[in-house]
Amino acid sequence: DTEVTQTPKHLVMGMTNKKSLKCEQHMGHRAMYWYKQKAKKPPELMFVYSYEKLSINESVPSRFSPECPNSSLLNLHLHALQPEDSALYLCASSQVPGNSYGYTFGSGTRLTVV
Amino acid sequence: DAKTTQPPSMDCAEGRAANLPCNHSTISGNEYVYWYRQIHSQGPQYIIHGLKNNETNEMASLIITEDRKSSTLILPHATLRDTAVYYCIVSQLLDSWGKLQFGAGTQVVVTP
Repeated sequence: DTEVTQTPKHLVMGMTNKKSLKCEQHMGHRAMYWYKQKAKKPPELMFVYSYEKLSINESVPSRFSPECPNSSLLNLHLHALQPEDSALYLCASSQVPGNSYGYTFGSGTRLTVV
Repeated sequence: DAKTTQPPSMDCAEGRAANLPCNHSTISGNEYVYWYRQIHSQGPQYIIHGLKNNETNEMASLIITEDRKSSTLILPHATLRDTAVYYCIVSQLLDSWGKLQFGAGTQVVVTP
């Protein structure tokens, strides 16, 4: 298995809702990442998990809450989002943290906040 | 990490070689040049990387100038499926912080 699987592919949520994005990989990778991508912009790094521990938070608002329950799973919990948080959320993994040529990305979750 | 400069867009005819330039004049000695691409509505995909020697794989070739201040990604026979945004990234091979950061990229459109 050489894929990163993200679910759901599309999500529409209200500003008062709580939802979660899920990311899964079975490549034995020990680093996992969340990126946010607005339309016609490059992906922006949000969080880095290294060996199941949060190692980088790029000053992301607390309404985004990451979780890494085990080495194969990465969640992003969403609460009280704003319409400007609408974007494509990409998950990635790499064998070790910062292995720059070994990042595998999922296809993303397209989030719309209404 | 060093910054990169890429043209915002370029067109290429199907079957012809596509040459994508990237400037990275502030690259340091231990930084590599990486190329990723992102096809519409998909996640970025790793293409190739190099330090100072030219590199080739099944997807593309990477030519790095002797002073390492610029590089060119070559898609030898572009197909319609190569239409994508191509990102040139300069980073250490193992960035201990795990920060792979993308610039604006080049939108490549391959036309029949």
